[in-house]
Amino acid sequence: QITLKESGPTLVKPTQTLTLTCTFSGFSLSTTGMGVGWVRQPPGKALEWLALIYWDDYKRYSPSLRSRLTITKDTFKNQVDLTMTDMDPVDTATYYCAHRVFGSSFDSWGQGTLVTVSS
Amino acid sequence: QPVLTQSSSASASLGSSVRLTCTLSSGHNTYIIAWHQQQPGKAPRYLMKLEGSGSYTKGSGVPDRFSGSSSGADRYLTISNLQSDDEADYYCETWDSDTPTFGGGTKVTVL
Repeated sequence: QITLKESGPTLVKPTQTLTLTCTFSGFSLSTTGMGVGWVRQPPGKALEWLALIYWDDYKRYSPSLRSRLTITKDTFKNQVDLTMTDMDPVDTATYYCAHRVFGSSFDSWGQGTLVTVSS
Repeated sequence: QPVLTQSSSASASLGSSVRLTCTLSSGHNTYIIAWHQQQPGKAPRYLMKLEGSGSYTKGSGVPDRFSGSSSGADRYLTISNLQSDDEADYYCETWDSDTPTFGGGTKVTVL
């Protein structure tokens, strides 16, 4: 059974850098094909994909946010981090991490963590 | 990159059926999509992967009431015997060169 859980600050100030951690179990990022992605959802709005990382360290970023995002993995700790720089109030959202097999869809989701950007 | 279009809302009576549509943009009508359900205040839940042929593979524990079908660029999610906890937002997802994209979601109301 795959489980994922997001952790990180609930409140950040404008211009600060946000770092979120996804801790997972039930699969390994050392296994061929395995991946973890980040998706966010502003209050009352739709899902927006942010970034992906795979077992071989292959990374993909949303074109609109590429310059602000960095995704990394710690295979031994079963963790994936997402860093987003220069936070703005419009980045206020629930941030989800999710499991993905290369070439397929998201198929397991974390519970999400709400991040508020405010001074 | 493909674009996914969904109606903003749908409603149906308890015990009836509802069919949701996700339409792929021009030139992408062979793409596989996935359907996700998001109940109020909860995280999304993967429902199924749906091919252009209409073949679908459901996630673990997804009730038989949920089924998928396809026609051209349209991908459908049908919920039969609608229950109160089917009231949720439903999102479709596709991907190209391993770049995912989501539709805008359809809010289903159970009357």
